[in-house]
Amino acid sequence: AQSVTQLGSHVSVSEGALVLLRCNYSSSVPPYLFWYVQYPNQGLQLLLKYTSAATLVKGINGFEAEFKKSETSFHLTKPSAHMSDAAEYFCAVKVGNQGGKLIFGQGTELSVKP
Amino acid sequence: ETGVTQSPTHLIKTRGQQVTLRCSSQSGHNTVSWYQQALGQGPQFIFQYYREEENGRGNFPPRFSGLQFPNYSSELNVNALELDDSALYLCASSSGSRTDTQYFGPGTRLTVL
Repeated sequence: AQSVTQLGSHVSVSEGALVLLRCNYSSSVPPYLFWYVQYPNQGLQLLLKYTSAATLVKGINGFEAEFKKSETSFHLTKPSAHMSDAAEYFCAVKVGNQGGKLIFGQGTELSVKP
Repeated sequence: ETGVTQSPTHLIKTRGQQVTLRCSSQSGHNTVSWYQQALGQGPQFIFQYYREEENGRGNFPPRFSGLQFPNYSSELNVNALELDDSALYLCASSSGSRTDTQYFGPGTRLTVL
């Protein structure tokens, strides 16, 4: 069965520091992977997605993620954190053929200190 | 192009009641998926509708049911509400292909007392 594990339920960084949010997946087939961000009392906004093209995926707001098959990982990074990056981040794997459903990790709350 | 919209924004019900949540999909999308997000958790897949037919269901009891209309908007109905049904209910629309993106609405916050 396909699954996603996010390491660290809470990550705190200083403004301007590197952001690294970890995601590992389990999949018996080539995965389609997503990162979403959720601000308080809002829905989910897509940051980026991997669908078997380039292994380094660039998203919105300066975020990027690298697909590493050997490590079954899809970690999210941003070189320099901004206060506005404080939010909940979810990694997800898509399963199924047509349409498909998303299986989400438990989420990582990112705090940014001034 | 309008995004995914959901109504109502917030809802308070008592145990045993029934509730209907609504979702309008993004223009050009024929697939709607519903997710339940309990406090402090990741979203859990409830079910998906593709061209008015159910196209997959998660581990939710039959009292969770849905509909999709010819304009691809959708409803989620929950009967015999339980306290554990309190959650944020998210709707996502997509074009239905294997690699497409699901775009989420703002959600409906349901509180069951």
